[in-house]
Amino acid sequence: SQQGEEDPQALSIQEGENATMNCSYKTSINNLQWYRQNSGRGLVHLILIRSNEREKHSGRLRVTLDTSKKSSSLLITASRAADTASYFCATVFYNQGGKLIFGQGTELSVKP
Amino acid sequence: DTGVSQDPRHKITKRGQNVTFRCDPISEHNRLYWYRQTLGQGPEFLTYFQNEAQLEKSRLLSDRFSAERPKGSFSTLEIQRTEQGDSAMYLCASSIGQGNTEAFFGQGTRLTVV
Repeated sequence: SQQGEEDPQALSIQEGENATMNCSYKTSINNLQWYRQNSGRGLVHLILIRSNEREKHSGRLRVTLDTSKKSSSLLITASRAADTASYFCATVFYNQGGKLIFGQGTELSVKP
Repeated sequence: DTGVSQDPRHKITKRGQNVTFRCDPISEHNRLYWYRQTLGQGPEFLTYFQNEAQLEKSRLLSDRFSAERPKGSFSTLEIQRTEQGDSAMYLCASSIGQGNTEAFFGQGTRLTVV
């Protein structure tokens, strides 16, 4: 399967702590994207990082990309209860027509 | 423009019936995706369009599934002879370009086959 593999599958932390989620993939990518899905709702785009980029920030989110290790990480700093959701990485693989393939996700629970 | 719209939001059908779902993408978006998602899983790629051209259909998808985007605007996904295993959330997304920009998702159509 080409899809990214995410780790951990589930993560439970206290409010104020940082949360780190990882995504690994197997073949070359054009870009990698992170999405959030709250329970029973649609997916919301968080950050897109291109293959020639190594780090991007958006508010409390930080995404890194290591193409030599074929992996990416999403860091949420100073987490809040409202960050409780499932987080998915999605990859656009090189020379695959630009289709967006999702991983299985990390379920994050932030306890107040 | 209020984003990607999917209709209906919920559909309950009897096994063996045909169902059709509609997706209206953001108006200037030329790319449109369909995904299927079951509880606890990530969205599974079904098919995608660049304007009216269907670029790929998942090899995992049986011939009972078909999708169209006749004028490069809205899209329909039809499932013929539904089976209980088809019960899932069907998600539509759209984007500008050729996979190098963010995708915007609709709220999905939840299908229950009884």
